Amino acid sequence: NAGVMQNPRHLVRRRGQEARLRCSPMKGHSHVYWYRQLPEEGLKFMVYLQKENIIDESGMPKERFSAEFPKEGPSILRIQQVVRGDSAAYFCASSLRTSGISYNEQFFGPGTRLTVL
Amino acid sequence: GESVGLHLPTLSVQEGDNSIINCAYSNSASDYFIWYKQESGKGPQFIIDIRSNMDKRQGQRVTVLLNKTVKHLSLQIAATQPGDSAVYFCAETYSGGSNYKLTFGKGTLLTVNP
Repeated sequence: NAGVMQNPRHLVRRRGQEARLRCSPMKGHSHVYWYRQLPEEGLKFMVYLQKENIIDESGMPKERFSAEFPKEGPSILRIQQVVRGDSAAYFCASSLRTSGISYNEQFFGPGTRLTVL
Repeated sequence: GESVGLHLPTLSVQEGDNSIINCAYSNSASDYFIWYKQESGKGPQFIIDIRSNMDKRQGQRVTVLLNKTVKHLSLQIAATQPGDSAVYFCAETYSGGSNYKLTFGKGTLLTVNP
């Protein structure tokens, strides 16, 4: 059973270009989370999605950033008109489901390291 | 020893020694805590978790202690090995309504010297 997959692993973009990061959750997982990690910092929550729905995007910048998780295919984190401050590692995690009673473990992918020149 | 400054806190130990990594969490409403290990170039890997109704939980070579009074969490690693070298993060969440969102601490870099 493959884990969470992310691609590309490394992405270099020039200022003003678009970055598209892809995440394939673990088999059977229908919940996806995106986190951003700046150098020497912890991960910061960005957005939580279920299939075809954005549940919580409170951690995602209002401009230039968007995320989707279509019925078929991977989840996509899209950053338009990238700036140098977008350089970071972006991690995707997936879980089976969430519950108000118990926490369902989030499994993390290897991350995409975005460098903006 | 352990140091805290502008950069990532670091802990350097000798192989075979026990390691203790500390974490202060921020939200008194948090009721679930997780320790993650992150090796260079990889994603966080689950180590051990603990709920707020417990103050100690043991795994294989690892123990997590929770002190809710001072909002402090610690991870103890017994007989530390070179393969334990990594950055260790504590994460918190609370199950009231939105138990999916993890809030991560800054992390501690553990270096194990052979």
